[in-house]
Amino acid sequence: KNQVEQSPQSLIILEGKNCTLQCNYTVSPFSNLRWYKQDTGRGPVSLTIMTFSENTKSNGRYTATLDADTKQSSLHITASQLSDSASYICVVSDRGSTLGRLYFGRGTQLTVWP
Amino acid sequence: EADIYQTPRYLVIGTGKKITLECSQTMGHDKMYWYQQDPGMELHLIHYSYGVNSTEKGDLSSESTVSRIRTEHFPLTLESARPSHTSQYLCASSEGKTDTQYFGPGTRLTVL
Repeated sequence: KNQVEQSPQSLIILEGKNCTLQCNYTVSPFSNLRWYKQDTGRGPVSLTIMTFSENTKSNGRYTATLDADTKQSSLHITASQLSDSASYICVVSDRGSTLGRLYFGRGTQLTVWP
Repeated sequence: EADIYQTPRYLVIGTGKKITLECSQTMGHDKMYWYQQDPGMELHLIHYSYGVNSTEKGDLSSESTVSRIRTEHFPLTLESARPSHTSQYLCASSEGKTDTQYFGPGTRLTVL
């Protein structure tokens, strides 16, 4: 069964600290993996996208890694800010259909305290 | 910031009412989607469209219906709302190259 599991479910850190969010998936065949940021009451916004051949991708203070062999990805946030408080969702796309079916994780709820 | 809009943002209605959730995008994307999301849970695809006059049901069974008469417009309709329809509904569109989906702000629906 194709699944996307994220950990931790929630995380609280102090402003300025770093953190790493994890995503494990069983989706096959694999096409790409995206990390989205979803602010409370808003729609998700894409942060990074990685294909099979990419093992790291950065977007400002966000750095995503991908190990396609172990089917694991991580999102590292550097020097966290209050505005980083949000849900971070891992999304994996397969190549099994023209649509490129998306599998969503439940997200990690990050709270950054001052 | 993506140019995709949803109205209303919040809706509280009584059981049995007919409602339409609006979604519009100005990016010229052919593909559009509707997702349902409950608090703390993953997004579930309920409808999608490849283009004008094309609509398909998603993975999660839904009593809602959709239409795609114009490229930019993808409304979702519930003929008779029930409390079980209470949820957040997210609309998205994607471009052909990367298929990255751009999401609207969502409609929070509460059926009493």
